[in-house]
Amino acid sequence: AQSVSQHNHHVILSEAASLELGCNYSYGGTVNLFWYVQYPGQHLQLLLKYFSGDPLVKGIKGFEAEFIKSKFSFNLRKPSVQWSDTAEYFCAVNTGGFKTIFGAGTRLFVKA
Amino acid sequence: DGGITQSPKYLFRKEGQNVTLSCEQNLNHDAMYWYRQDPGQGLRLIYYSQIVNDFQKGDIAEGYSVSREKKESFPLTVTSAQKNPTAFYLCASMGETGGFGDYGYTFGSGTRLTVV
Repeated sequence: AQSVSQHNHHVILSEAASLELGCNYSYGGTVNLFWYVQYPGQHLQLLLKYFSGDPLVKGIKGFEAEFIKSKFSFNLRKPSVQWSDTAEYFCAVNTGGFKTIFGAGTRLFVKA
Repeated sequence: DGGITQSPKYLFRKEGQNVTLSCEQNLNHDAMYWYRQDPGQGLRLIYYSQIVNDFQKGDIAEGYSVSREKKESFPLTVTSAQKNPTAFYLCASMGETGGFGDYGYTFGSGTRLTVV
C-alpha cells in the first residue's frame, strides 16, 4: 500500500535556524508531491508542489523542497526560520488519480 | 472569492445521534473529499467523490455516509455507528489547471465535532 512517512512529529527551533523536514513515500511509479502548511487557527494551504522537471521546487515564504527519486524523498527546507513559521506541515503524495495520501504531519515551533 | 465553506465550525453531538457536516464549494471543481484529522495521525480519507451522483469509500469510511447530489455540495453524515467521532473534519476539492493535472487541494476551514 502507498504510504507517506514524515520523520519528525515535533521540531523546535530558534529563529534564524535552518529547517529540514523529512518526507519519504512508498510508490514506484510517477508521483506528484506536495507540502501543505496549517498555521494555528487557519486553513490547510499549499506550500509547494512538484510534478516534473527541476527537482528543486521553490514555494511561498522562502520554502523549498528537493525531490530525490532514488531515495523516494521530498524533504522541505528553509535556510532561516521565523517565529511566524510555527505551524504544522504535511507532506502528501498523489500517484495520478483522485486520491492523495498525507503524512502524519510535523509540528514546528519556532522560539522567538 | 472562490473557495470552500464548511459549517458549522463547532458541533456537539450526543451519543447515539447522527449529525451532518456541510461542505459547499464555488470553484467548479469536480472532485471533493472528506478527511478526518487527529493529532499525530495526519489526514485520513473518509470518502471522496469524482463526479456528481458518485462517491467512493476512503480508508476509514465505517460509520460515515455521504451524498453528492449537486456539484457544489458534498455533505458528510457522522452516524451513531462511528465509535470515535470526536475529531476535526476537513473538506477539500480538487480541480485541474491549464489542461494539466494539478492534483492540488483547496481545503475548507474545518468542523470540529465533539461527542458529549
